[in-house]
Amino acid sequence: DAGVIQSPRHEVTEMGQEVTLRCKPISGHNSLFWYRQTMMRGLELLIYFNNNVPIDDSGMPEDRFSAKMPNASFSTLKIQPSEPRDSAVYFCASSSWDIGTDTQYFGPGTRLTVL
Amino acid sequence: KQEVTQIPAALSVPEGENLVLNCSFTDSAIYNLQWFRQDPGKGLTSLLLIQSSQREQTSGRLNASLDKSSGRSTLYIAASQPGDSATYLCAVLGGGADGLTFGKGTHLIIQP
Repeated sequence: DAGVIQSPRHEVTEMGQEVTLRCKPISGHNSLFWYRQTMMRGLELLIYFNNNVPIDDSGMPEDRFSAKMPNASFSTLKIQPSEPRDSAVYFCASSSWDIGTDTQYFGPGTRLTVL
Repeated sequence: KQEVTQIPAALSVPEGENLVLNCSFTDSAIYNLQWFRQDPGKGLTSLLLIQSSQREQTSGRLNASLDKSSGRSTLYIAASQPGDSATYLCAVLGGGADGLTFGKGTHLIIQP
């Protein structure tokens, strides 16, 4: 298995531009998570999906952030408009919905820099 | 709101030593606890997962314990090696199953 795939690996953009991050979970996993990592705040959950349905988006910082999961093999995290404080590493993770037993597997992350 | 704390924030020890990393969490109503390793500029690699009903898990030179009632977990690394140098993150899956809550990590350096 290729593991969780994220693209792009690095993104540099200017303030005000739209940014779209992509994630392909591990085949057969039905839960998908988006996390953000910064030096100041560490790793924080942004949103998670179960069977393609958003379950909890309370971690999404503001309306500029949106996430979709149109099918079981693809998810996007969009920031519009982007701001310098959005600079961070964004991780996608997936797992099987079997609470108490299953490991979350993380992708390599997308390093976003907003100038 | 669940809070996870890791002590120490950084640790440097000579190769060959046994060491213990600590993790504490404020809400004992958890489903599981995971220990991850993160190398610089890389993603997270899961090391061990302990279910809430378990007391410990072992993998090679690593042993993780869980005391849910006191809100504590430890990661024991035996016979440390320079290749163990990395940041170690503790994360808990809460009772609301709302994704993992992470500690800030322990940055570990093993001196050759």
